[in-house]
Amino acid sequence: QQQVKQSPQSLIVQKGGISIINCAYENTAFDYFPWYQQFPGKGPALLIAIRPDVSEKKEGRFTISFNKSAKQFSLHIMDSQPGDSATYFCAAINQGGSEKLVFGKGTKLTVNP
Amino acid sequence: NAGVTQTPKFQVLKTGQSMTLQCAQDMNHNSMYWYRQDPGMGLRLIYYSASEGTTDKGEVPNGYNVSRLNKREFSLRLESAAPSQTSVYFCATTQGLADTQYFGPGTRLTVL
Repeated sequence: QQQVKQSPQSLIVQKGGISIINCAYENTAFDYFPWYQQFPGKGPALLIAIRPDVSEKKEGRFTISFNKSAKQFSLHIMDSQPGDSATYFCAAINQGGSEKLVFGKGTKLTVNP
Repeated sequence: NAGVTQTPKFQVLKTGQSMTLQCAQDMNHNSMYWYRQDPGMGLRLIYYSASEGTTDKGEVPNGYNVSRLNKREFSLRLESAAPSQTSVYFCATTQGLADTQYFGPGTRLTVL
């Protein structure tokens, strides 16, 4: 049972373009939605996160859009750069519960120069 | 302040051999985790330890054992390695189960 579905599995974008990665969830108890970024040969690291009381969170070129009614959230990378080439994981958790963080399967982003 | 360290970085085993992957953290976190990462499969939780002295199974525990040696150290043991265990293994820590996960650099394991 996949609790967080992530798409696409891979994405190729030209430098300066917008990268969009989508995630969907079923468990309405989830109340914290982080995104992790993983560079080749490294472990994942927290990039940005959102709670469902806001519809959007922006940090520099990275924006999370959140649609609570549709149970979907997405990561937008504006002005994508070759240095953004990495694997991105969405995740979700009920911070008030006893369950652990649930990850999507990841999206490999390649930004061509 | 190294954060999360894993040893070894690379390992090649023959089918049936055993080995232990080591993880140590200097963040004074309570919870520690072992994941495996395979292409197209994302990060799958093998075992976790919510606090010193406790361990629990994750999504894919078969073929693995763990030991929470103390608050800093959490080891993963493969008793009889199989080719299906070829993967990249990551250790992670959090202060509490719901907090930000901090990952180590990974161990790339190949079982022939």
